[in-house]
Amino acid sequence: TQLLEQSPQFLSIQEGENLTVYCNSSSVFSSLQWYRQEPGEGPVLLVTVVTGGEVKKLKRLTFQFGDARKDSSLHITAAQPGDTGLYLCAGVSVGGSQGNLIFGKGTKLSVKP
Amino acid sequence: NAGVTQTPKFRILKIGQSMTLQCTQDMNHNYMYWYRQDPGMGLKLIYYSVGAGITDKGEVPNGYNVSRSTTEDFPLRLELAAPSQTSVYFCASTRERLAGADTQYFGPGTRLTVL
Repeated sequence: TQLLEQSPQFLSIQEGENLTVYCNSSSVFSSLQWYRQEPGEGPVLLVTVVTGGEVKKLKRLTFQFGDARKDSSLHITAAQPGDTGLYLCAGVSVGGSQGNLIFGKGTKLSVKP
Repeated sequence: NAGVTQTPKFRILKIGQSMTLQCTQDMNHNYMYWYRQDPGMGLKLIYYSVGAGITDKGEVPNGYNVSRSTTEDFPLRLELAAPSQTSVYFCASTRERLAGADTQYFGPGTRLTVL
């Protein structure tokens, strides 16, 4: 069974702080995606990374794909209350799952004003 | 362009009842998916479809059935509801196969409780 382990599971911080969320696996992924989900809504795609070592920036969010394509991180600079939500990583493993996404369990982020 | 729509938003079922969760997309996507999301457990794939008339099982298909008679619609059927099927169900679609890193669009979800 291919697993994506996310850490931490919960994170509560003050506005203005920085944070990093991790997504790790023993499997190699052809691509990895990060989603944000707000209560009562479906996940919304933030970014897709496909190349080992790739770094993508989306305003205050920085996403990195590990060199071996087994892990990824999401770093948020100067967090704001609007960043509050559930962050999910999801990957398409190499050679498995008919190209379907495997999801991590998520990191629930709360940013207090 | 509404994207992916799901009905109903909420539903309470008694054990043994049946129901159909509706999903429609207006983006002319070939690929459609049904996931369930349990608290603290991420999303697990129930069934998926690569086009009209073609469906296949995902990770957790037991207790569910699907059909895909048109490109737009992908209903999920629960025949004999059980408490273990209490969950939030999401429908999603993509233009191409996810191995190509395509964007997956999700519906707003159906919250199902089986008592």
